[in-house]
Amino acid sequence: EVQLLESGGGLVQPGGSLRLSCAASGFTFSVYTMSWVRQAPGKGLEWVASVSDLAGSTVYADSVKGRFTTSRDDSKKTVYLQMNSLRADDSAVYYCAKDLGGWDVFDMWGQGTTVTVS
Amino acid sequence: AIQLTQSPSSLSASVGDRVTITCRASQGIGSALAWYQQKLGHPPKFLIYDASTLKSGVPSRFSGSGSGTDFTLTISSLQPEDFATYYCQQFNSFPLTFGGGTKVQIK
Repeated sequence: EVQLLESGGGLVQPGGSLRLSCAASGFTFSVYTMSWVRQAPGKGLEWVASVSDLAGSTVYADSVKGRFTTSRDDSKKTVYLQMNSLRADDSAVYYCAKDLGGWDVFDMWGQGTTVTVS
Repeated sequence: AIQLTQSPSSLSASVGDRVTITCRASQGIGSALAWYQQKLGHPPKFLIYDASTLKSGVPSRFSGSGSGTDFTLTISSLQPEDFATYYCQQFNSFPLTFGGGTKVQIK
């Protein structure tokens, strides 16, 4: 069974840092691009960042560029989101998502981890 | 960034109704559009990609159409489990963007 399990969320003060992790199982992790999508309370979905398979190239939303860094460890089947200089508007449920294999769409999502900046 | 505008933002419908949701892109995206369903307190569920290709296992009452800037998601006969919020997403270019969502409620 394909599974994504996020961890690392919590309450942090403005300007603080947090590192999210997403542990994958049930599929060949190394060949898929992995992404982070967030959802502020009562709001819609916002793509945050993606890290590709193979070369591990990364791309970010403008709202987090320079503050957030995503990376992956294929040996641990885990993707990370390092969040620095956190702001109140970064408060959201952060989802880890797997792509469809060559398509930048998200065919599997984790349950999410909540980040509150206050 | 490509903006996606969904309409309506919410709708009320009855079981058995045919429901259509529209997603309009701010510029042409070919067929690079996906649809998701999200129920309260749960992560989104992937339904359709490439504008009209149903993910394996998604009921055939769901269908997608469109290309360029105008897209639709249709539920041919609404079922109780379909009451949820639906989002479109473009994957033509980064940044990937989502529509604002359409909440389908029980009439």
